Amino acid sequence: EIVLTQSPGTLSLSPGERATLSCRASQSVSISYLAWHQQKPGQAPRLLIYGASSGATGIPDRFSGSGSGTDFTLTISRLEPEDFAVYYCQQYGSSPPTFGGGTKVEIK
Amino acid sequence: EVQLLESGGGLVQPGGSLRLSCAASGFTFSTYAMSWVRQAPGKGLEWVSTISGSGDNTYYAEFVKGRFTISRDNSKNTLYLQMNSLRAEDTAVYYCAKCGTWALYSFDYWGQGSLVTVSS
Repeated sequence: EIVLTQSPGTLSLSPGERATLSCRASQSVSISYLAWHQQKPGQAPRLLIYGASSGATGIPDRFSGSGSGTDFTLTISRLEPEDFAVYYCQQYGSSPPTFGGGTKVEIK
Repeated sequence: EVQLLESGGGLVQPGGSLRLSCAASGFTFSTYAMSWVRQAPGKGLEWVSTISGSGDNTYYAEFVKGRFTISRDNSKNTLYLQMNSLRAEDTAVYYCAKCGTWALYSFDYWGQGSLVTVSS
């Protein structure tokens, strides 16, 4: 199975700053089948990005995804108060689908 | 608006059984594959099982094969997860998720989750 490693584990930033989250795969992800999900405490995950760089329905354009092969990035251009959460990358190109361990974006 | 509402969670003893349900609305249920994903307390997300739109094809994580059964009733717009031989390590919030049109294991909408606690 494909192992996804996210870094850093925790990112401490202030509102208005730029956040850059990394997701590295143990082997190449097929057809850039890589998604990013956001999860706030006590809530269900929400899809942000699919296909490595396509924004899901209703997602603000401050969220963007990039990358291919084994290295992927989620960028939040300017952090809003509601963006402080845990972010998971997920590959869905091969079975079993797998998730990274998550990056927590916290208020500095 | 897509809505997914899980039910059926609770406290069960090791070796016991539980059936989760997920009532779906806001989309043509039978058109989409559906999945269960779980999250142990304080941990990350872990895929459990997926079923095709027709129900003809099912897929399982190795750690639940032979113990869990995914099914659906398209006439009731409802997804199920029958869980048998439960273990302490199955303790988690179980989310149902709608699969996207672009790939089988893509998850584009999530329910609020149902907590399953396996303990004596």
